[in-house]
Amino acid sequence: GAGVSQSPSNKVTEKGKDVELRCDPISGHTALYWYRQSLGQGLEFLIYFQGNSAPDKSGLPSDRFSAERTGGSVSTLTIQRTQQEDSAVYLCASTMFPSPLHFGNGTRLTVT
Amino acid sequence: KQEVTQIPAALSVPEGENLVLNCSFTDSAIYNLQWFRQDPGKGLTSLLLIQSSQREQTSGRLNASLDKSSGRSTLYIAASQPGDSATYLCAVRPSGGSNYKLTFGKGTLLTVNP
Repeated sequence: GAGVSQSPSNKVTEKGKDVELRCDPISGHTALYWYRQSLGQGLEFLIYFQGNSAPDKSGLPSDRFSAERTGGSVSTLTIQRTQQEDSAVYLCASTMFPSPLHFGNGTRLTVT
Repeated sequence: KQEVTQIPAALSVPEGENLVLNCSFTDSAIYNLQWFRQDPGKGLTSLLLIQSSQREQTSGRLNASLDKSSGRSTLYIAASQPGDSATYLCAVRPSGGSNYKLTFGKGTLLTVNP
């Protein structure tokens, strides 16, 4: 079946604008994660969803970042008032425990 | 706090060589360990998953081993090919209450030269 789908694949935005990133997980996967990967850095955990609830939001860098998940499926990560340091690749992953984690191809965000 | 280290950070080998990538972790209370590859501009692709009760997993030319007590895993690639060039990451899932939260290594950048 289809893998994890993320859109857009690339996003260039001006500093101060809001952006919305979308993730379509694999059908039936109840767990969904957002990670951030900056150049030369490892994966940074942002948020974890189990169904529609987010029991762990501890990785969100600031209150400019928020995420939601609806219908136990699609998730959106919203970044308000973007800053240059937000430039990174944002990766989404989904799984049904204890199966492997499956990643999308990411959204490359560039804030100018 | 779990820490995952991958050494070397980069490795360059000639085509056809067998090679080993290393992953070490500080807390042996793990549920499983997963190996991924990441091609430039792409997400992570799952290669192998080893449960804590297992010693190794094999898929084609890949073999991953796990020694939980010593906090080590290796990924063995046989007869390497230029198409194997990528960054390889390992990630551990803890056992216990926060078992949803994987800890990733920073990866080993592998280059296989024709």
